Amino acid sequence: NAGVTQTPKFQVLKTGQSMTLQCAQDMNHEYMSWYRQDPGMGLRLIHYSVGAGITDQGEVPNGYNVSRSTTEDFPLRLLSAAPSQTSVYFCASSYSRRANTEAFFGQGTRLTVV
Amino acid sequence: GQQLNQSPQSMFIQEGEDVSMNCTSSSIFNTWLWYKQEPGEGPVLLIALYKAGELTSNGRLTAQFGITRKDSFLNISASIPSDVGIYFCAGQLPPHSGGSNYKLTFGKGTLLTVNP
Repeated sequence: NAGVTQTPKFQVLKTGQSMTLQCAQDMNHEYMSWYRQDPGMGLRLIHYSVGAGITDQGEVPNGYNVSRSTTEDFPLRLLSAAPSQTSVYFCASSYSRRANTEAFFGQGTRLTVV
Repeated sequence: GQQLNQSPQSMFIQEGEDVSMNCTSSSIFNTWLWYKQEPGEGPVLLIALYKAGELTSNGRLTAQFGITRKDSFLNISASIPSDVGIYFCAGQLPPHSGGSNYKLTFGKGTLLTVNP
């Protein structure tokens, strides 16, 4: 039982390049989400999904796309990387059948855009 | 978006001391969660609180869900060097305030340093 797995752990991109950050969970959680963490800003929600085929925008969605074709995977796509997207990205998953829930996080992807 | 005010921003203490940190908001929250993040790692859940007034312990850690539902605190007793890290509070808003059980609002964190 690996929990939430993110790849890669580190990435350097040039401005304008595109890439996909991978996230997989093996806990059969329906809810998955992406956060970015910046110094002094805490964690901010980018996109989230309540189940396969269903996604929605969070607090800071611009410049990112997501899709959810399976319960296990929730990739985050950067369409045209910008220096402002330099950040640490965390994927999280949570249970769907509880009135209240806790999110479990991956180890993060540290992205630098130059 | 909704804001959680977490304080203090940082703490530098001696091993063995007790620590207290808190989060406050102008909005009511349904759930309060406390996470710890170590360097290079993702946040790890420490304590989850679901009812106003609830007091929950996890070893040397104790957290409480405020009676007004607008605040929560975390205490660490007899700190040790491995307590070093960033502690985050997170809250879940009620549905009528735009919340749901998959959207969390985070505080900006408390950086804890423990001097051996």
